[in-house]
Amino acid sequence: EDKVVQSPLSLVVHEGDTVTLNCSYEVTNFRSLLWYKQEKKAPTFLFMLTSSGIEKKSGRLSSILDKKELSSILNITATQTGDSAIYLCAVEPALGSQGNLIFGKGTKLSVKP
Amino acid sequence: SAVISQKPSRDICQRGTSLTIQCQVDSQVTMMFWYRQQPGQSLTLIATANQGSEATYESGFVIDKFPISRPNLTFSTLTVSNMSPEDSSIYLCSVAGGADYEQYFGPGTRLTVT
Repeated sequence: EDKVVQSPLSLVVHEGDTVTLNCSYEVTNFRSLLWYKQEKKAPTFLFMLTSSGIEKKSGRLSSILDKKELSSILNITATQTGDSAIYLCAVEPALGSQGNLIFGKGTKLSVKP
Repeated sequence: SAVISQKPSRDICQRGTSLTIQCQVDSQVTMMFWYRQQPGQSLTLIATANQGSEATYESGFVIDKFPISRPNLTFSTLTVSNMSPEDSSIYLCSVAGGADYEQYFGPGTRLTVT
């Protein structure tokens, strides 16, 4: 059964800290891995990763995929209170319904001032 | 990325009734998806809404409970039928777009069934 596991489930840090969120997956015929930020209801797209070892970066956020280890990390440097959210990792299998993203349970990040 | 709107934003409904959720996109998209997020859980795909044909449902979801319409390339509806408290969830539509055909989500509908 395809699955996505995220760790830690929750994390509390102080402003300025750097955090690393983990995502591991088991999926038949991997197509892509995506990271989202969910603050209220709607997940906001952050990154899509398809190739190992290529870092994607947007401001203080960066992410990289390791297809050998079946995992990805999301790094946030110099955290701010506005980074407080649930970060979701999702994997899209190559087989089955196109667009069927399999989501992990998320990491709840709380950034304290 | 596409701009996606959903109506209603939230609703409180009585068990046994039905609610139709609308999803509108500001550009034509081939693929639209409906997800459910139950309290404390992650997102689960309900179905893929296909324009001009029946929706494709994932395991555990059936058309009688979650009928979907897709009359054109910018609009879709999801109906939650004969609701029970277990249907209390956030319902989200998404579309595939962008350079890598990644999925973008609408603002969601928070449904509470009493």
